Amino acid sequence: EDQVTQSPEALRLQEGESSSLNCSYTVSGLRGLFWYRQDPGKGPEFLFTLYSAGEEKEKERLKATLTKKESFLHITAPKPEDSATYLCAVSGGGSNYKLTFGKGTLLTVNP
Amino acid sequence: DGGITQSPKYLFRKEGQNVTLSCEQNLNHDAMYWYRQDPGQGLRLIYYSQIVNDFQKGDIAEGYSVSREKKESFPLTVTSAQKNPTAFYLCASSLGLAGGEQFFGPGTRLTVL
Repeated sequence: EDQVTQSPEALRLQEGESSSLNCSYTVSGLRGLFWYRQDPGKGPEFLFTLYSAGEEKEKERLKATLTKKESFLHITAPKPEDSATYLCAVSGGGSNYKLTFGKGTLLTVNP
Repeated sequence: DGGITQSPKYLFRKEGQNVTLSCEQNLNHDAMYWYRQDPGQGLRLIYYSQIVNDFQKGDIAEGYSVSREKKESFPLTVTSAQKNPTAFYLCASSLGLAGGEQFFGPGTRLTVL
């Protein structure tokens, strides 16, 4: 069974203080690892898809990286508007229709 | 603009009543999904559909039913058999079932009184 564990559960940063969120996973034949951003009371917003170890993708202040066991979402010089819950999900070869989600990391960036 | 719409945004139901949540997409996606989100838990898959007139149970299908009569629409009915229906419900779609990225609607918050 695919599993996803995100850490920390919550993270508070000062504006401009860079940090990373972790997503550890176990999956039979990774098809893709996905990062989403979710604001309170709204649906998740797609950020990135990573397919293989060593792959990196960037969008504004966010950079996602992937190894064979985990993914990191690096946030460089965050701003208050980056505050949200960040969700990680994996799709494995054993169940190609299904995304298995982690519980998320709640990021708060203080001005 | 292409996207996924869900209605209503908030829904209140008395115990013992069935209620139907709407999901429509104009992305021309073949696959559609329903998830449930509870505080402190990851999203859990209720039902999914790859094509019209076909759908499959997800991890927590008990007490729910769906239909897929049109490619654009995938309504979810929460029946009185669902023991703990109060939750945030999310509809999603993707090009296919090949494990690619899914795109989500804005969600419906259901509260059972």
